Amino acid sequence: DQQVKQNSPSLSVQEGRISILNCDYTNSMFDYFLWYKKYPAEGPTFLISISSIKDKNEDGRFTVFLNKSAKHLSLHIVPSQPGDSAVYFCAASVGGTYKYIFGTGTRLKVLA
Amino acid sequence: DGGITQSPKYLFRKEGQNVTLSCEQNLNHDAMYWYRQDPGQGLRLIYYSQIVNDFQKGDIAEGYSVSREKKESFPLTVTSAQKNPTAFYLCASSILRQPQHFGDGTRLSIL
Repeated sequence: DQQVKQNSPSLSVQEGRISILNCDYTNSMFDYFLWYKKYPAEGPTFLISISSIKDKNEDGRFTVFLNKSAKHLSLHIVPSQPGDSAVYFCAASVGGTYKYIFGTGTRLKVLA
Repeated sequence: DGGITQSPKYLFRKEGQNVTLSCEQNLNHDAMYWYRQDPGQGLRLIYYSQIVNDFQKGDIAEGYSVSREKKESFPLTVTSAQKNPTAFYLCASSILRQPQHFGDGTRLSIL
């Protein structure tokens, strides 16, 4: 039972345009969501997070949107740069727990 | 400079052997985790530990064992019972309601 789903395995975007990565979840108890970026043969690095009490969080070129009624979150990268090419994972957790559930990842390729 | 150290980066195992992957953190984090990554399957949780001398099974614990004798260390043993051990293994640590910090991983291959 995949509680966190990233239905797009890959995405290609032109440099300078917007990249939108999507994530859906099924567990309504999730209240903390994160996005990570991962390069090959390295560990994931944290990008941005959002708590369920908010519907938007921004950090520079990265914005995460949360739609609780749809159980959907998205990561927007504007403008996209070639260095953003990586695999992006969303993750979710239930408040008061240490356990995080990860999606299967979306491979983003930014074309110069 | 705080972080998580996984060793070795590459590991080879003969069939039927147990092998132990090392994970050390100096971030003073309470919790530590082991994940396995296979192509197209994301990160799957093997075991996690919230405090010393305590740990919980994740989604794919069969064939693996862990110990947490010190806050800084969370070694993972891949036993001969694990039928498909070839994968990229990631260790992470965190405090409650904060993002996890990951090591750079260990790639395990079967000879």
